[in-house]
Parts: sequence; structure tokens; C-alpha cells
Amino acid sequence: DIQMTQSPSSLSASVGDRVTITCRASQGINNYLAWYQQKPGRVPKLLIYGASSLESGVPSRFSGSGSGTDFTLTISSLQPEDGASYYCQRYDTSPRTFGGGTTVEIK
Amino acid sequence: QVQLVQSGAEVKKPGASVKVSCKASGYTFTGHYIHWVRQAPGQGLEWMGWINPNSGRTKYAEKFQGRVTLTRDTSITTGYMEVSSLTSDDTALYYCTRGSEVSGGRKPCDFWGQGTLVTVSS
Repeated sequence: DIQMTQSPSSLSASVGDRVTITCRASQGINNYLAWYQQKPGRVPKLLIYGASSLESGVPSRFSGSGSGTDFTLTISSLQPEDGASYYCQRYDTSPRTFGGGTTVEIK
Repeated sequence: QVQLVQSGAEVKKPGASVKVSCKASGYTFTGHYIHWVRQAPGQGLEWMGWINPNSGRTKYAEKFQGRVTLTRDTSITTGYMEVSSLTSDDTALYYCTRGSEVSGGRKPCDFWGQGTLVTVSS
């Protein structure tokens, strides 16, 4: 099975910082890559699909990029409400593996 | 509006089984896959499998094959996930989530149920 590896596992940044999270697939997944945000005690929320398409209603400070095996989620200017865990997921085929997650802490 | 409403929390003893329901509304139930994802306390998301509500066809992650059963009742637009031979490692929040259309195309899961906490304890 394809493995999804996220890094870093956690980070701490200040409001206004640019934050980058990476996700690497062990094999190519044809850009069928999604990013989710999960705040403590809440349900995961879809942010990005197709590696770079912003889900409706998601603030434009979130963006996704990459192709093949290497993908990036960027928050251009971190806001207080962005403190959460972020997960990548492949959805080209099953098993629809998630990355291990990245916890973003606001300094 | 699309809604997935799951059944309430469960406490089970090791070796028992649990069945969680997921009532869908606001869209054509047979038109979208239903996926199940779990999250152990303080841990990440783990994909378990999907069911095509139209055909009943299922697909499971290898680690759950033979121990997890996904079913559906189209008359009441409800999906079910049953886990057997429970151990303490199965203590987790279990989510149902709406996947892509069964007619074709690949999309990630968009709407999620509120989660059902299953606690396995002797």
C-alpha cells in the first residue's frame, strides 16, 4: 500500500507567519490529494482537493500545491483560528490512507 | 442541507461487537459512497472502508478485513458499521463521511457525521 508521510508532526508559529506543511506519497497518486483541518473536539473539515483546489468557503490564505508524490499545504498568513491539526489524504484509490497529521500551535 | 447523524456512544467489553449507524439526509443516499474513518484518543485519522449504498459493494482496509462489516438500509437512508472481536485498541471515535458519487469521478469526503465514541473496557 502507498504510505503518506507528513512533516513536520508539529510546529509553533506566530500570527501572520507563513506556514508550510508537506505530504509525501510513497508512489504517485495523480494529484488525488486532499487536505483536512481538524480543530480540537471537532469534525475534520475539507480544505483542499485535487492537490490545489480550494473547497468552497475556505479562506484564501490556505493553498495547496504539488504533484505526483510531493505536496504542500501553505497558510500564507497564520490566524489565531488556524490552530488545529492538519491531515493529508490520498483518494486516487483504496486504501484512502491519511498522513500522520501536523499539529499547528499558535505562539 | 447534507447531514450525517450517527448513533450515540457505546461502551463494550473486550470480545464483544458494536454496530454504529449513520443516518443520511439532504442528498440522494444511493448516489454517494459512505466511508468510515476512526480516530483513537489523541491520535490521527484512520480510514476503515467504504460502501456503495446503491449496490451494497464494500471495500475495507486490510487491517479491518474480516472484522468490520459495512451495510446499509436504503429504505431509511442509513449506513451501518459493525466491528467484532473488540479489544481496547478499538477504543476510538468512529466517523461516517460522504464520499464521491457512485456514478463516477473521484472526490474526497466532504460531509462528516458527528462521530460516535466507542469505548472498549472490561
